[in-house]
Amino acid sequence: GAVVSQHPSWVICKSGTSVKIECRSLDFQATTMFWYRQFPKQSLMLMATSNEGSKATYEQGVEKDKFLINHASLTLSTLTVTSAHPEDSSFYICSASKVDRVGRDEQFFGPGTRLTVL
Amino acid sequence: GESVGLHLPTLSVQEGDNSIINCAYSNSASDYFIWYKQESGKGPQFIIDIRSNMDKRQGQRVTVLLNKTVKHLSLQIAATQPGDSAVYFCAENIRSASKIIFGSGTRLSIRP
Repeated sequence: GAVVSQHPSWVICKSGTSVKIECRSLDFQATTMFWYRQFPKQSLMLMATSNEGSKATYEQGVEKDKFLINHASLTLSTLTVTSAHPEDSSFYICSASKVDRVGRDEQFFGPGTRLTVL
Repeated sequence: GESVGLHLPTLSVQEGDNSIINCAYSNSASDYFIWYKQESGKGPQFIIDIRSNMDKRQGQRVTVLLNKTVKHLSLQIAATQPGDSAVYFCAENIRSASKIIFGSGTRLSIRP
């Protein structure tokens, strides 16, 4: 168990358009979901933490109006990149956490979404 | 600010030899540390973790060592195989903040 999916796996869009990325926990209910961004040859940078039914908590330097996060249920979170520009091109990865048998939060990562903005 | 970083950005190892990947961290408030493996175009895959009150933990072919005195973490892979080729990240879980912070990564390449 503990599978996380993302859709789409890759997307190409024109500059100025908006793109929505879905993150789903397939076989468990996630207490929290996280969104990361990864540029080529760099590490994962946490963008925001998302809890079902509440506003996302954004990391310093991440524009909340540009990266809209909606966490509608315990199994689905979406990230919308609004008015995308070429510099938003990146690999976006989500993770979902659940509490294990000893009370520890475990994060399970999705396969990522490659966004290319032309 | 607080960060988790790595000493070596790339590591080339002969197939069959042991690999050691190192990581330095600066946040003393971490509850546990995690090693992830990331293959090209994929999300991170959990390898092994270690609680902050432990010094060593072993898994299948992997061992993680934690030295809190010098804030150093290492991942040892025994008998490295071609399938071990990937980028390896150390990360720290800050339970009070409910988030994981990633280090900068080391690319491991295997020579035949």
